Amino acid sequence: SQQGEEDPQALSIQEGENATMNCSYKTSINNLQWYRQNSGRGLVHLILIRSNEREKHSGRLRVTLDTSKKSSSLLITASRAADTASYFCATDYPDSWGKLQFGAGTQVVVTP
Amino acid sequence: GAGVSQSPSNKVTEKGKDVELRCDPISGHTALYWYRQSLGQGLEFLIYFQGNSAPDKSGLPSDRFSAERTGGSVSTLTIQRTQQEDSAVYLCASSLLGNTIYFGEGSWLTVV
Repeated sequence: SQQGEEDPQALSIQEGENATMNCSYKTSINNLQWYRQNSGRGLVHLILIRSNEREKHSGRLRVTLDTSKKSSSLLITASRAADTASYFCATDYPDSWGKLQFGAGTQVVVTP
Repeated sequence: GAGVSQSPSNKVTEKGKDVELRCDPISGHTALYWYRQSLGQGLEFLIYFQGNSAPDKSGLPSDRFSAERTGGSVSTLTIQRTQQEDSAVYLCASSLLGNTIYFGEGSWLTVV
């Protein structure tokens, strides 16, 4: 079964609004990574957060990690039409580095 | 190049034919991964190479699938006797051990 599961499955917002999506996982992890995918092609890496970190920022992106709840959230602030994409979380866990477990993704649509 | 490079971008093949997909990882990256994404699905781990260690082949779906990594750099994923269910985007990624995993644009395989 998939380790990471995103919520919601789909999100539709207007430009300027914030978008929040969540990722839950089942077992202890080493790292959690968020990726963006446009039109079903390559994955663009957004942020890596390690299990001993709680929050990271990159531009308009903010990622939090709560290991006690086995969950992470990705916040996109002041969204733009170009943020329209699918967003995936991916986890790796002890003794299985390299075997990322991906969720099914959250499809985000930002309308002008 | 600056990123992970994959070829071909698109491949249409007849059922029963063999195909080879190529991946050039980021220079200096010791780890290389292959994933598969079927239409509307999440990513599925296939195989992982790390340095000179034996590859982790646990994700290969059948013995029709194989992969090599020559000289610790370029990798080739080979699918023999292709079937229609092999149609998917095949994504290659690379990283330094324990760090961010960067993906290529993928090779879209269609088996007709």
